[in-house]
Amino acid sequence: NAGVTQTPKFQVLKTGQSMTLQCAQDMNHNSMYWYRQDPGMGLRLIYYSASEGTTDKGEVPNGYNVSRLNKREFSLRLESAAPSQTSVYFCAIRRGINQPQHFGDGTRLSIL
Amino acid sequence: ELKVEQNPLFLSMQEGKNYTIYCNYSTTSDRLYWYRQDPGKSLESLFVLLSNGAVKQEGRLMASLDTKARLSTLHITAAVHDLSATYFCAVAYMDSNYQLIWGAGTKLIIKP
Repeated sequence: NAGVTQTPKFQVLKTGQSMTLQCAQDMNHNSMYWYRQDPGMGLRLIYYSASEGTTDKGEVPNGYNVSRLNKREFSLRLESAAPSQTSVYFCAIRRGINQPQHFGDGTRLSIL
Repeated sequence: ELKVEQNPLFLSMQEGKNYTIYCNYSTTSDRLYWYRQDPGKSLESLFVLLSNGAVKQEGRLMASLDTKARLSTLHITAAVHDLSATYFCAVAYMDSNYQLIWGAGTKLIIKP
C-alpha cells in the first residue's frame, strides 16, 4: 500500500531465531502501530508509537520489542521466536486526529 | 476494558439480497471505523463514524453509529459478488487518540 512499506513480505524462522520486521512510511506522520492478525481474532495491537522516540505497549507486547529511531521507521523485533508468534504482522500509520489508520501490505511470518 | 463484538462472524448470501452486520462495544466511545479485507490482502478503510447518529454511505454499503446503544451497523443493499470480503469494525478508546480495539471480523460470501 502506497505510503507504508513493510519488509520482508514472507519469512520462515526456526524456534529460537531472532529477526526484525521493518516498517517505513513516506508521509511524515507521528503515529505508527504494529498489529498481529490471527485467524478468527481480528487485529491485536502489539506496540504503538505516538511520535519519534516514544513507544508504548499495546494489548499483546510479550515476546516483542520495538524501535522508533526516527519519524519514518518503526521496527518490530522478535528476540527468540516461538511457534505462537506465527501470524500476519501489519504496520499502520495514523494520518491525523480521527483519521483511519492506513496499513502496509503485511508480513507473513511462520515459525517452525 | 473495551471489548468489541461483531455478528455474524460468517455470512453467506445471494446476490441482490440485503443484510446487516452488527458491531457492539462495551464501553463509551465516540469513534468507530469500518474496514474491508480481501483474502491475503491488507485492510482498506471504508467508513469513519465520529458522532452519535452518524451515517455514511458508499455505493451499496451504509454504516451508522448509535453511541448510546454502543452499536454500529454496516448495511449491504442489493449485494453483488464484488462485496465478498471480511469486514472489520474497530473502536477507539475514549481517553486515547491512538489505540483501537478490533472486532473479530465478518466473513461475507456473496453467491451469484
